[in-house]
Amino acid sequence: ETGVTQTPRHLVMGMTNKKSLKCEQHLGHNAMYWYKQSAKKPLELMFVYSLEERVENNSVPSRFSPECPNSSHLFLHLHTLQPEDSALYLCASSQEEGSYEQYFGPGTRLTVT
Amino acid sequence: KQEVTQIPAALSVPEGENLVLNCSFTDSAIYNLQWFRQDPGKGLTSLLLIQSSQREQTSGRLNASLDKSSGRSTLYIAASQPGDSATYLCAVRGYSTLTFGKGTMLLVSP
Repeated sequence: ETGVTQTPRHLVMGMTNKKSLKCEQHLGHNAMYWYKQSAKKPLELMFVYSLEERVENNSVPSRFSPECPNSSHLFLHLHTLQPEDSALYLCASSQEEGSYEQYFGPGTRLTVT
Repeated sequence: KQEVTQIPAALSVPEGENLVLNCSFTDSAIYNLQWFRQDPGKGLTSLLLIQSSQREQTSGRLNASLDKSSGRSTLYIAASQPGDSATYLCAVRGYSTLTFGKGTMLLVSP
């Protein structure tokens, strides 16, 4: 499998649930990203990892917890979410962190009930 | 703070027309600008990336230009096809982040 993959593609969870989103890249890249895309809003960068170290956290609430165990995998752990957290969550990777082209996965459509 | 604006928000054209999508940004200190395509409910597909030192990039029927000093980029699509129907996103790379516009939703009718 090539490119950037994300699982699950769709997720419905209650506000008290705990779930995780998974992203995997098969491009040999060293940087990975989580973005949130809400309806009628631009994509918002949430987290940036470079060589498994978090280099950016854009004021994201603590109910979102990222994890990068190696340069190919990125997780987003979710707990006690709010309905306004419903959105498309996109993962991306790039060769290095910085001015490199980013490649995106298909996204996880999250609905919080 | 960088702000990216895309005009128009939506565009509907008949098949075969040439069209231009516009993107403007407020801070000209950028590393590059990237155009993406997004199909409904799907992820982003990179179309073209223009480095700050470049003026344009071409790929097939697509041509993107960049005027960094005026904070503008255009995406030109020649001989549009129904398969071009999608949302087109412009993103500007600054020192620490990639800032996106809200996109232009394009519909090409047969």
